[in-house]
Amino acid sequence: GAVVSQHPSWVICKSGTSVKIECRSLDFQATTMFWYRQFPKQSLMLMATSNEGSKATYEQGVEKDKFLINHASLTLSTLTVTSAHPEDSSFYICSAPPSYNEQFFGPGTRLTVL
Amino acid sequence: KNQVEQSPQSLIILEGKNCTLQCNYTVSPFSNLRWYKQDTGRGPVSLTIMTFSENTKSNGRYTATLDADTKQSSLHITASQLSDSASYICVVSARGNNRLAFGKGNQVVVIP
Repeated sequence: GAVVSQHPSWVICKSGTSVKIECRSLDFQATTMFWYRQFPKQSLMLMATSNEGSKATYEQGVEKDKFLINHASLTLSTLTVTSAHPEDSSFYICSAPPSYNEQFFGPGTRLTVL
Repeated sequence: KNQVEQSPQSLIILEGKNCTLQCNYTVSPFSNLRWYKQDTGRGPVSLTIMTFSENTKSNGRYTATLDADTKQSSLHITASQLSDSASYICVVSARGNNRLAFGKGNQVVVIP
């Protein structure tokens, strides 16, 4: 079946640094990918839609200058958390649809900002 | 108000017992409903997906039902195992786009 990978699986960084998270579709091409954030015991919250070849679409309340998204190719989207702060600590998950009626999620990236 | 409501929020069951999780939604127009299993610290993994015309779908010990008229779905876990301990998330998509509405999940803990 379709597989979506994320790298790294976890990262710890100092406050003020930037962190890049990669999301790859391993056996299918995805013109669209989605980035989610999940806090403990909460549901996944859509942050932005990553579009290959064009700008990402951000959800209301998500700062586009803080969460930079680049959909570099049909199999890769990256999320960069710039100038990370402790409140950015969360579980970041991406997803990609191999077809119209399906969504596959990556394994997630645990970000801890000290 | 959340478009997808799940109940119970959490439950503890004995290994070997059955349990049923509920999902009510208001998403319209309806496209499909999916149940995902999310282990702690992992991404969601698809269990079942049902479209408007499907009433039930099974995946091993997991059986999902859908009543599109009442906008309700359930996920039944048969003969629970310790590995079933996870959050079960109901996700509904609307026709015409790829946006998903997520429930907050049912947290299931299976004890020996």
